[in-house]
This record gives sequence, C-alpha cells and structure tokens, in this order.
Amino acid sequence: GQSLEQPSEVTAVEGAIVQINCTYQTSGFYGLSWYQQHDGGAPTFLSYNALDGLEETGRFSSFLSRSDSYGYLLLQELQMKDSASYFCAVRNTGFQKLVFGTGTRLLVSP
Amino acid sequence: DGGITQSPKYLFRKEGQNVTLSCEQNLNHDAMYWYRQDPGQGLRLIYYSQIVNDFQKGDIAEGYSVSREKKESFPLTVTSAQKNPTAFYLCASSISGENSPLHFGNGTRLTVT
Repeated sequence: GQSLEQPSEVTAVEGAIVQINCTYQTSGFYGLSWYQQHDGGAPTFLSYNALDGLEETGRFSSFLSRSDSYGYLLLQELQMKDSASYFCAVRNTGFQKLVFGTGTRLLVSP
Repeated sequence: DGGITQSPKYLFRKEGQNVTLSCEQNLNHDAMYWYRQDPGQGLRLIYYSQIVNDFQKGDIAEGYSVSREKKESFPLTVTSAQKNPTAFYLCASSISGENSPLHFGNGTRLTVT
C-alpha cells in the first residue's frame, strides 16, 4: 500500500519562507509531485522530483530524498495569494495511478 | 483553449437515484482519472483509464461506474450503492508517462439528500 503524511496546517506572514514536509511509504516509486488547490478550485501542478535534490521554479522549490522517503515544498517571499492547500503525491511503478496526501492548508497573514 | 470541462458545477440528487457526472477534455490526453475529495481531506482515486475502452478501479471504486468510449470523454456514474455520495468530484487527464502532470477540471459538487 501507499501512505503520505503532511502537516494539516501551516501559518506564516507575507514575505516569509515556509516549508511543507511530506513523508511517504510506497511499494515502488516514480517521483514526488506537488499540487496547489485554492478553496473550491481545481488542483494545479507545481513541481515534480524524480531524483534526489532540489528543483527550483521561481518562488517555489521542491526537494526529494529517496533514501529517507521524504520531500518538502519550500515557498519563499510568501504572498497572500499563496494561501491554499498543498498536496504531495507519489506515482507507483508501472502505472499512471497518482496517490495524494491529505494536504497541508497554508494560511498567509498580512 | 484546451482544457477539461466538468459539468454541472453543482448537482443535487435524492438518495437512491443514480447520477452521472460529465468530464470532457480537448487536450488529446490518453489518460483520464476520477478523484473524490471530502472536506479537509486529500484526493482519493475512484477510477482511471489509460486508453479508450479500458479502465481500472482505483482505491474507492465501490458504488461507482465509468465508461471510456471516446478519448475525450470519461463520465462517472454514482450509483445508489455508494453509501456516502456527497462529495466534491474532480476529473483529471494526463499524457502517458510516469512524470506527466495531471490537469484537473473545476470539479462537480454533488449533494445527495
């Protein structure tokens, strides 16, 4: 089976840096993805890590350590519009099936 | 513009009735998926399809059925056998490949009373 663990909620202020952690257990592994979802909206793809290390895309970065079954999403220069839920997700070996964590709700305050 | 269209946005049904949720994509994606999201929870996979005329059960397929007669369309039927059908339903599609991201529709919020 598969399971992913994320903190349920994180709070921060505008301009700050926040890290959202994700630990996973999976049989077979084909990369860790991150998605953002605003309330009532559609999830949108943020990043994907197949190999260990840091991937940077603008204000967002994502890190993976396969030996630790761990990854994180780093959000810098936080803006109010970053208030949303963030989901990590893993894909099984051999399938298109993507399994999501329960999500971390990020609240950014002025 | 290419994208995924789910309709309707809100749907109300009486208990015991089957209901079909529509999902159409014009992205030319081979793979399509249905997820269910309950308040404060993650997305759980109901069914997925990697190619026309083929589909597989996800983690919570009981009480649901799908069809994939066309590449563009992947309708989901919520049957009366589904014990807790009230939820937010999300359809997604992707190209084939292990690292291909999912593109989601805007969802259908189903309420059954």
